[in-house]
Amino acid sequence: DGGITQSPKYLFRKEGQNVTLSCEQNLNHDAMYWYRQDPGQGLRLIYYSQIVNDFQKGDIAEGYSVSREKKESFPLTVTSAQKNPTAFYLCASSIRSGTRYNSPLHFGNGTRLTVT
Amino acid sequence: SQQGEEDPQALSIQEGENATMNCSYKTSINNLQWYRQNSGRGLVHLILIRSNEREKHSGRLRVTLDTSKKSSSLLITASREADTASYFCATDDAPNAGGTSYGKLTFGQGTILTVHP
Repeated sequence: DGGITQSPKYLFRKEGQNVTLSCEQNLNHDAMYWYRQDPGQGLRLIYYSQIVNDFQKGDIAEGYSVSREKKESFPLTVTSAQKNPTAFYLCASSIRSGTRYNSPLHFGNGTRLTVT
Repeated sequence: SQQGEEDPQALSIQEGENATMNCSYKTSINNLQWYRQNSGRGLVHLILIRSNEREKHSGRLRVTLDTSKKSSSLLITASREADTASYFCATDDAPNAGGTSYGKLTFGQGTILTVHP
């Protein structure tokens, strides 16, 4: 089955440590996204990538970094500079972007990160 | 800033009743999308309505879009206990009239729907 795999489902880290969240898709989608969701809130865009080796900052990129070396992979690193990293992180992909109409997003099942 | 804002924040109904959720937004859009999220899971796309469309149906779902009022509504008819979830609207914002989307969606805060058996 095609889809998006995020791992791990739960992640615990000590304050001051960097941590990398994995996101892999086998949908052959060009565009990939990282969103952050806090309790009772909507999603906020961290980074997005429209094509391999290219990515752009979203609305809350500070304290995060990404890479897009392969079409199917878009890992997110939460650095120690992120002041409030505890959250639910969602990765998504879409067929295309940069066109007149955006296509729907396909989401993974998320990684819940807890930093203490 | 939040583009889509949903109303109500929470909705509790009995099985078989209809559920209506509303979404308002501030700027011009290319399209508006509705997503569903079960607790602790990712979002699932339900329906997309383009800025030149006024109404769209998919099974028990009916979405309307009023661009003059910058609002949309999602109606779920004959609700079931399995419809219990959070529902989000997301706007694909147009930087200018007929402008290019750069792959960004702006999500509202969602409506928590509880359907009681």
